[in-house]
Amino acid sequence: KAGVTQTPRYLIKTRGQQVTLSCSPISGHRSVSWYQQTPGQGLQFLFEYFSETQRNKGNFPGRFSGRQFSNSRSEMNVSTLELGDSALYLCASRSDPAQAFFGQGTRLTVV
Amino acid sequence: AQSVTQPDIHITVSEGASLELRCNYSYGATPYLFWYVQSPGQGLQLLLKYFSGDTLVQGIKGFEAEFKRSQSSFNLRKPSVHWSDAAEYFCAVAFSGYSTLTFGKGTMLLVSP
Repeated sequence: KAGVTQTPRYLIKTRGQQVTLSCSPISGHRSVSWYQQTPGQGLQFLFEYFSETQRNKGNFPGRFSGRQFSNSRSEMNVSTLELGDSALYLCASRSDPAQAFFGQGTRLTVV
Repeated sequence: AQSVTQPDIHITVSEGASLELRCNYSYGATPYLFWYVQSPGQGLQLLLKYFSGDTLVQGIKGFEAEFKRSQSSFNLRKPSVHWSDAAEYFCAVAFSGYSTLTFGKGTMLLVSP
């Protein structure tokens, strides 16, 4: 079974631009969560989607948004990028309670 | 709100020596507890989890963890560390099976020859 796939692996964007990251969960998994990882703040929860509905949301500004498609693939979007948005963005999918499987992440650098 | 504390930012262990990584949590009830490992540039891999029952949990790669309710701790142990264990280790909690994960800040394990 293929694991969680995140694309692209690396991105460099300029301040003020927007970016879209993609996550394909493990086949059959309907829950997809997104996390931001930075050296200063560690791993912080962004949001979770289940069957195309946002189920939970972390404490991030409205510039961070996401969605989930009928095939469970998920995208997250960050608008008006700031330098502080530079981070590793991790996606996790799960079916069993709390058995979350993580992708390798997308490394976003904002210059 | 639930929180997780990993008091050690870095730990250096000699290869072949035993390892214990500390994790303390703050939550009103017994949460779901996890340990994840992250190699450089990679995602997180689940080492083990505790939901209920036996307080000593066995995981992958020879790791185990012990849940101690009285100390609100869930420490990770390995009897003999290998150089390939060098990575960052994260403790995480969730208040239910389907709730979000709250992570500690992580402990970077360095293995010396």
